[in-house]
Amino acid sequence: ELKVEQNPLFLSMQEGKNYTIYCNYSTTSDRLYWYRQDPGKSLESLFVLLSNGAVKQEGRLMASLDTKARLSTLHITAAVHDLSATYFCAVGPNAGNNRKLIWGLGTSLAVNP
Amino acid sequence: GAGVSQSPSNKVTEKGKDVELRCDPISGHTALYWYRQSLGQGLEFLIYFQGNSAPDKSGLPSDRFSAERTGGSVSTLTIQRTQQEDSAVYLCASSPRGGTYNSPLHFGNGTRLTVT
Repeated sequence: ELKVEQNPLFLSMQEGKNYTIYCNYSTTSDRLYWYRQDPGKSLESLFVLLSNGAVKQEGRLMASLDTKARLSTLHITAAVHDLSATYFCAVGPNAGNNRKLIWGLGTSLAVNP
Repeated sequence: GAGVSQSPSNKVTEKGKDVELRCDPISGHTALYWYRQSLGQGLEFLIYFQGNSAPDKSGLPSDRFSAERTGGSVSTLTIQRTQQEDSAVYLCASSPRGGTYNSPLHFGNGTRLTVT
């Protein structure tokens, strides 16, 4: 059974600092998604990672995937307040269909001035 | 519309009543999903529709839950005889094709259901 663990679950950081959120999963997968959710808002797709060694960057966020370690990281560089949100990773054990995505509990990020 | 639309945004109901939650997916998206998000929990898969195929109902928690999708577009999730443990945010998502390997899901804002 695929299990997905995110850590930390809560993160409070200062503006300008760097930090990494981790997403571990328990069985073989080469398909991992990162989403962002603002309070009372939709989940917004950030990154789709499909292969070992994949790295994607958007602004101050960079995501990577290591399928051998069953680990994805979401790195935040020089955080700003606008990045405050909850970040979810989701992992799919099978190719071809999203319906069995297993979700982490989310990391609630607060960036303080 | 521009995105996935869900209604109502909030619903408070008494225990034992039935509720209907509505989802309008993005036009042209053939795949539609319902998820449930409880406080402090990840997303729990409920049901999946893809085109005219039989829906995948494997995530529905009990026979009090049902969903339909009319004309391959709008979907309704119905919860009968609601219980307090049904309180959660119900999220709908759509994607262009369920079988597309790397299509992300597009989520609505959700319906927050509170059962008193």
